[in-house]
Amino acid sequence: EPEVTQTPSHQVTQMGQEVILRCVPISNHLYFYWYRQILGQKVEFLVSFYNNEISEKSEIFDDQFSVERPDGSNFTLKIRSTKLEDSAMYFCASSAWGGATGELFFGEGSRLTVL
Amino acid sequence: DAKTTQPPSMDCAEGRAANLPCNHSTISGNEYVYWYRQIHSQGPQYIIHGLKNNETNEMASLIITEDRKSSTLILPHATLRDTAVYYCIVSATDSWGKLQFGAGTQVVVTP
Repeated sequence: EPEVTQTPSHQVTQMGQEVILRCVPISNHLYFYWYRQILGQKVEFLVSFYNNEISEKSEIFDDQFSVERPDGSNFTLKIRSTKLEDSAMYFCASSAWGGATGELFFGEGSRLTVL
Repeated sequence: DAKTTQPPSMDCAEGRAANLPCNHSTISGNEYVYWYRQIHSQGPQYIIHGLKNNETNEMASLIITEDRKSSTLILPHATLRDTAVYYCIVSATDSWGKLQFGAGTQVVVTP
């Protein structure tokens, strides 16, 4: 069964450092997403991406965050200058269709720990 | 705030059906009802979704009331591997994959 893969599974970084989380979505999917989950809290939407553009973003997704699809397979989330509160599990997801017409396939997540 | 209300937890015996309720009294006409689950700290997993008709797939059945203000997810024969947090989410057709997760229902399947 096709799956979304994420790397690294766990990253530890110092506050203020830049972090890039990588995702390989399912190959024929066109819509890509990032979500995050702070330990013990709800899963939160960050951003959706389609046709090389951000479709929608949440208030969490401020200027410190950016997304990119640098080639035909990878989808990345960059945090420019990490803060302690960025410590969370980050989930990438992809879907064949946008909107509410299709299911999202989530990866297993990248755990980010900011010290 | 989440547009759905779910009980925080429920237990189910292995092999029995698990019926998970969800209230979404403010649902709009263009909003679907989605169910996802999250096993431990893994990525959420899609289960099923529907607009107004009842739906069934290999994992579960979704029963939506006629007024669409509530729904029930049915796991027909719960197994230990179904222990997870189950999320009921309403999402509009123009949502661009923006799922609003609530606290969900922690389901524990016991032997």
